[in-house]
Amino acid sequence: AQKVTQAQTEISVVEKEDVTLDCVYETRDTTYYLFWYKQPPSGELVFLIRRNSFDEQNEISGRYSWNFQKSTSSFNFTITASQVVDSAVYFCALRGYSTLTFGKGTMLLVSP
Amino acid sequence: EAGVAQSPRYKIIEKRQSVAFWCNPISGHATLYWYQQILGQGPKLLIQFQNNGVVDDSQLPKDRFSAERLKGVDSTLKIQPAKLEDSAVYLCASSSVGQGDQETQYFGPGTRLLVL
Repeated sequence: AQKVTQAQTEISVVEKEDVTLDCVYETRDTTYYLFWYKQPPSGELVFLIRRNSFDEQNEISGRYSWNFQKSTSSFNFTITASQVVDSAVYFCALRGYSTLTFGKGTMLLVSP
Repeated sequence: EAGVAQSPRYKIIEKRQSVAFWCNPISGHATLYWYQQILGQGPKLLIQFQNNGVVDDSQLPKDRFSAERLKGVDSTLKIQPAKLEDSAVYLCASSSVGQGDQETQYFGPGTRLLVL
């Protein structure tokens, strides 16, 4: 069975602070894919990134960066210089040979 | 490119009534998914279609939930009769390829259902 754990239920930061959202996963599949989605108050899940299990190279996209470490089964997400518009619920998800499994999400609140 | 469309956006019904949700996936996407998202939790898959065939409906409560995708494009999800615990957001997603490939699911805005 697959499992995704996002231990941080809610994080509050002040604008311009850096923030890291943690994600730990469990799977027995040898090939799998990891995802991060953003869910703003409007409710739509917005795709941010997909990472293959055989590609541990970290990725940076603007203020966003992702750290994939297979040894610790973690796929953490860092927002640099956070902005109010980053306020949302962020979901980490895993898909192996079966369905896409989501964590419970981390609510990020960025205040001015 | 237009995204996944869903309607209605909000629905309030009383328990034991029936309700239907509609989804139109991204053009050309063969795979369509329905998810249920209860407040404070991540989405949970209800059913997956590949074209007009069901791939996975193992978590669909078939005594009250049904879904169809007759022409392999848009889809409807129905609940009959609704229970209080069905209050949730129902999300539709689509992807261009199915399981086993590097598919990414793109989600619609969801339908917020409240059962009183």
